[in-house]
Amino acid sequence: SQQGEEDPQALSIQEGENATMNCSYKTSINNLQWYRQNSGRGLVHLILIRSNEREKHSGRLRVTLDTSKKSSSLLITASRAADTASYFCAIGANSKLTFGKGITLSVRP
Amino acid sequence: GAGVSQSPSNKVTEKGKDVELRCDPISGHTALYWYRQSLGQGLEFLIYFQGNSAPDKSGLPSDRFSAERTGGSVSTLTIQRTQQEDSAVYLCASSFQGYETETQYFGPGTRLLVL
Repeated sequence: SQQGEEDPQALSIQEGENATMNCSYKTSINNLQWYRQNSGRGLVHLILIRSNEREKHSGRLRVTLDTSKKSSSLLITASRAADTASYFCAIGANSKLTFGKGITLSVRP
Repeated sequence: GAGVSQSPSNKVTEKGKDVELRCDPISGHTALYWYRQSLGQGLEFLIYFQGNSAPDKSGLPSDRFSAERTGGSVSTLTIQRTQQEDSAVYLCASSFQGYETETQYFGPGTRLLVL
Protein backbone atom coordinates (compact mmCIF):
# COMPACT_ATOMS: atom_id res chain seq x y z
CA SER A 1 0.00 0.00 0.00
CA GLN A 2 1.03 3.60 -0.41
CA GLN A 3 2.78 4.66 2.78
CA GLY A 4 4.79 7.79 3.34
CA GLU A 5 8.23 7.38 4.82
CA GLU A 6 9.18 10.13 7.20
CA ASP A 7 12.68 11.37 7.77
CA PRO A 8 14.32 11.75 10.22
CA GLN A 9 12.78 9.30 12.66
CA ALA A 10 13.62 11.60 15.54
CA LEU A 11 14.61 15.24 15.76
CA SER A 12 15.78 17.25 18.76
CA ILE A 13 16.14 21.01 18.53
CA GLN A 14 16.37 24.07 20.75
CA GLU A 15 13.37 26.28 21.29
CA GLY A 16 13.32 29.04 18.72
CA GLU A 17 14.98 26.95 16.01
CA ASN A 18 13.19 25.74 12.91
CA ALA A 19 12.23 22.08 12.53
CA THR A 20 12.17 20.44 9.11
CA MET A 21 10.57 17.05 8.61
CA ASN A 22 10.39 15.16 5.36
CA CYS A 23 8.08 12.60 3.84
CA SER A 24 8.71 10.55 0.72
CA TYR A 25 6.35 8.27 -1.16
CA LYS A 26 6.44 5.95 -4.12
CA THR A 27 3.40 6.36 -6.38
CA SER A 28 1.05 9.08 -7.56
CA ILE A 29 -0.96 10.85 -4.92
CA ASN A 30 -4.09 12.94 -4.73
CA ASN A 31 -3.05 14.86 -1.65
CA LEU A 32 -0.73 14.70 1.32
CA GLN A 33 -1.66 15.58 4.88
CA TRP A 34 0.35 16.16 8.04
CA TYR A 35 -0.94 15.23 11.48
CA ARG A 36 0.39 15.70 14.97
CA GLN A 37 0.09 13.34 17.93
CA ASN A 38 0.74 14.15 21.56
CA SER A 39 1.55 11.46 24.11
CA GLY A 40 0.38 8.50 22.04
CA ARG A 41 -3.21 9.70 21.90
CA GLY A 42 -5.38 10.89 19.03
CA LEU A 43 -3.97 12.61 15.99
CA VAL A 44 -4.79 16.18 15.09
CA HIS A 45 -4.87 17.37 11.50
CA LEU A 46 -2.38 20.15 10.74
CA ILE A 47 -2.44 20.84 7.04
CA LEU A 48 -3.37 19.34 3.67
CA ILE A 49 -1.62 19.98 0.37
CA ARG A 50 -3.10 18.82 -2.92
CA SER A 51 -1.07 17.27 -5.71
CA ASN A 52 -1.40 20.41 -7.85
CA GLU A 53 -0.09 22.65 -5.08
CA ARG A 54 3.55 23.32 -4.30
CA GLU A 55 3.43 25.18 -1.02
CA LYS A 56 0.97 26.01 1.75
CA HIS A 57 1.22 27.98 4.95
CA SER A 58 -0.69 27.84 8.19
CA GLY A 59 0.60 29.98 11.03
CA ARG A 60 4.13 28.76 11.83
CA LEU A 61 3.72 25.76 9.54
CA ARG A 62 4.92 25.62 5.97
CA VAL A 63 4.39 22.57 3.80
CA THR A 64 5.96 21.97 0.41
CA LEU A 65 5.23 19.26 -2.11
CA ASP A 66 7.48 18.19 -4.95
CA THR A 67 5.61 15.62 -7.02
CA SER A 68 8.59 15.12 -9.34
CA LYS A 69 10.68 13.99 -6.37
CA LYS A 70 7.69 12.41 -4.64
CA SER A 71 8.44 14.20 -1.42
CA SER A 72 7.00 16.71 1.00
CA SER A 73 8.47 18.78 3.79
CA LEU A 74 6.88 20.20 6.91
CA LEU A 75 8.65 23.21 8.36
CA ILE A 76 7.82 24.51 11.82
CA THR A 77 9.35 27.92 12.33
CA ALA A 78 10.34 29.43 15.68
CA SER A 79 9.67 26.17 17.49
CA ARG A 80 8.28 26.07 21.01
CA ALA A 81 8.50 23.44 23.72
CA ALA A 82 4.79 22.83 23.14
CA ASP A 83 5.59 21.64 19.60
CA THR A 84 7.10 18.50 21.13
CA ALA A 85 5.06 15.67 19.62
CA SER A 86 5.05 13.02 16.92
CA TYR A 87 4.33 14.16 13.39
CA PHE A 88 2.85 11.92 10.72
CA CYS A 89 2.46 12.36 7.01
CA ALA A 90 -0.57 10.72 5.43
CA ILE A 91 -0.80 9.92 1.75
CA GLY A 92 -4.16 10.39 0.06
CA ALA A 93 -4.40 8.07 -2.92
CA ASN A 94 -6.81 5.47 -4.31
CA SER A 95 -9.59 6.67 -2.03
CA LYS A 96 -7.49 5.98 1.07
CA LEU A 97 -5.38 7.89 3.53
CA THR A 98 -2.28 5.93 4.57
CA PHE A 99 -0.15 7.07 7.50
CA GLY A 100 3.59 6.81 7.88
CA LYS A 101 5.44 5.76 11.02
CA GLY A 102 5.95 9.27 12.29
CA ILE A 103 8.73 11.60 13.37
CA THR A 104 9.37 12.30 17.04
CA LEU A 105 10.15 15.97 17.55
CA SER A 106 11.61 17.16 20.85
CA VAL A 107 11.94 20.89 21.43
CA ARG A 108 14.22 21.72 24.34
CA PRO A 109 13.26 24.80 26.37
CA GLY B 1 -19.86 20.22 18.74
CA ALA B 2 -18.41 17.15 20.40
CA GLY B 3 -15.45 15.39 18.85
CA VAL B 4 -14.86 11.70 18.40
CA SER B 5 -15.09 9.82 21.67
CA GLN B 6 -13.82 6.38 22.54
CA SER B 7 -14.38 4.09 25.47
CA PRO B 8 -12.89 2.75 27.55
CA SER B 9 -9.78 4.92 27.62
CA ASN B 10 -7.78 2.06 29.06
CA LYS B 11 -8.45 -1.66 29.13
CA VAL B 12 -6.44 -4.39 30.80
CA THR B 13 -7.46 -7.93 30.02
CA GLU B 14 -6.14 -11.42 30.30
CA LYS B 15 -4.95 -13.42 27.35
CA GLY B 16 -7.81 -15.37 25.82
CA LYS B 17 -10.57 -12.99 26.87
CA ASP B 18 -12.73 -11.03 24.43
CA VAL B 19 -12.78 -7.23 24.46
CA GLU B 20 -15.08 -4.62 22.93
CA LEU B 21 -13.92 -1.12 22.11
CA ARG B 22 -16.42 1.60 21.35
CA CYS B 23 -16.24 4.65 19.10
CA ASP B 24 -18.71 7.53 18.85
CA PRO B 25 -17.95 9.53 15.70
CA ILE B 26 -18.74 13.16 15.11
CA SER B 27 -22.44 13.59 14.41
CA GLY B 28 -23.11 13.73 10.68
CA HIS B 29 -19.86 12.04 9.66
CA THR B 30 -20.59 9.13 7.36
CA ALA B 31 -17.08 7.67 7.35
CA LEU B 32 -15.49 5.88 10.30
CA TYR B 33 -12.03 4.35 10.56
CA TRP B 34 -10.27 2.08 13.03
CA TYR B 35 -6.49 2.07 13.35
CA ARG B 36 -4.05 0.29 15.61
CA GLN B 37 -0.85 1.83 16.87
CA SER B 38 1.73 -0.34 18.57
CA LEU B 39 4.36 1.22 20.81
CA GLY B 40 6.49 3.64 18.83
CA GLN B 41 4.92 2.62 15.54
CA GLY B 42 2.79 4.32 12.95
CA LEU B 43 -0.89 3.81 12.39
CA GLU B 44 -1.99 0.47 11.04
CA PHE B 45 -5.29 0.66 9.17
CA LEU B 46 -7.82 -1.92 10.36
CA ILE B 47 -11.27 -1.22 8.92
CA TYR B 48 -13.27 1.54 7.23
CA PHE B 49 -17.02 2.16 7.17
CA GLN B 50 -18.63 4.58 4.72
CA GLY B 51 -22.36 5.13 4.81
CA ASN B 52 -24.30 2.03 3.88
CA SER B 53 -21.51 0.53 1.78
CA ALA B 54 -19.87 -2.75 2.70
CA PRO B 55 -16.97 -2.00 5.05
CA ASP B 56 -13.38 -2.24 3.87
CA LYS B 57 -11.99 -4.92 6.16
CA SER B 58 -8.69 -5.30 4.34
CA GLY B 59 -6.62 -4.24 7.34
CA LEU B 60 -7.99 -6.62 9.92
CA PRO B 61 -5.02 -8.75 11.02
CA SER B 62 -6.93 -11.95 11.76
CA ASP B 63 -10.43 -13.38 12.04
CA ARG B 64 -10.30 -12.65 15.76
CA PHE B 65 -10.93 -9.02 14.87
CA SER B 66 -14.34 -7.77 13.80
CA ALA B 67 -16.19 -4.47 13.81
CA GLU B 68 -19.72 -3.26 13.49
CA ARG B 69 -21.27 0.11 12.90
CA THR B 70 -24.86 0.28 14.00
CA GLY B 71 -27.26 2.82 12.55
CA GLY B 72 -24.47 4.55 10.71
CA SER B 73 -23.13 6.02 13.92
CA VAL B 74 -21.53 4.18 16.83
CA SER B 75 -18.97 1.51 16.06
CA THR B 76 -17.68 -1.39 18.12
CA LEU B 77 -14.38 -3.15 17.49
CA THR B 78 -14.31 -6.64 18.97
CA ILE B 79 -11.19 -8.68 19.55
CA GLN B 80 -11.84 -12.30 20.43
CA ARG B 81 -9.42 -14.53 22.31
CA THR B 82 -6.99 -11.68 22.85
CA GLN B 83 -3.27 -12.30 22.51
CA GLN B 84 -0.39 -10.32 24.01
CA GLU B 85 0.52 -9.00 20.58
CA ASP B 86 -2.89 -7.31 20.47
CA SER B 87 -1.64 -4.84 23.09
CA ALA B 88 -1.69 -1.42 21.44
CA VAL B 89 -3.58 1.85 21.25
CA TYR B 90 -6.71 1.51 19.14
CA LEU B 91 -7.67 4.76 17.46
CA CYS B 92 -10.94 5.63 15.84
CA ALA B 93 -11.42 8.48 13.38
CA SER B 94 -14.32 9.89 11.42
CA SER B 95 -14.67 12.14 8.42
CA PHE B 96 -17.57 13.81 6.69
CA GLN B 97 -17.91 11.67 3.60
CA GLY B 98 -14.81 9.51 3.52
CA TYR B 99 -13.00 11.19 0.66
CA GLU B 100 -9.24 10.98 0.80
CA THR B 101 -9.03 14.77 0.64
CA GLU B 102 -10.92 15.19 3.87
CA THR B 103 -9.55 15.68 7.34
CA GLN B 104 -9.90 12.70 9.61
CA TYR B 105 -10.86 13.57 13.18
CA PHE B 106 -9.42 11.24 15.74
CA GLY B 107 -10.63 10.12 19.12
CA PRO B 108 -8.26 9.89 22.09
CA GLY B 109 -7.84 6.15 21.64
CA THR B 110 -8.23 3.07 23.80
CA ARG B 111 -5.02 1.74 25.30
CA LEU B 112 -5.34 -2.06 25.42
CA LEU B 113 -3.01 -4.19 27.49
CA VAL B 114 -3.26 -7.96 27.26
CA LEU B 115 -1.54 -9.76 30.12
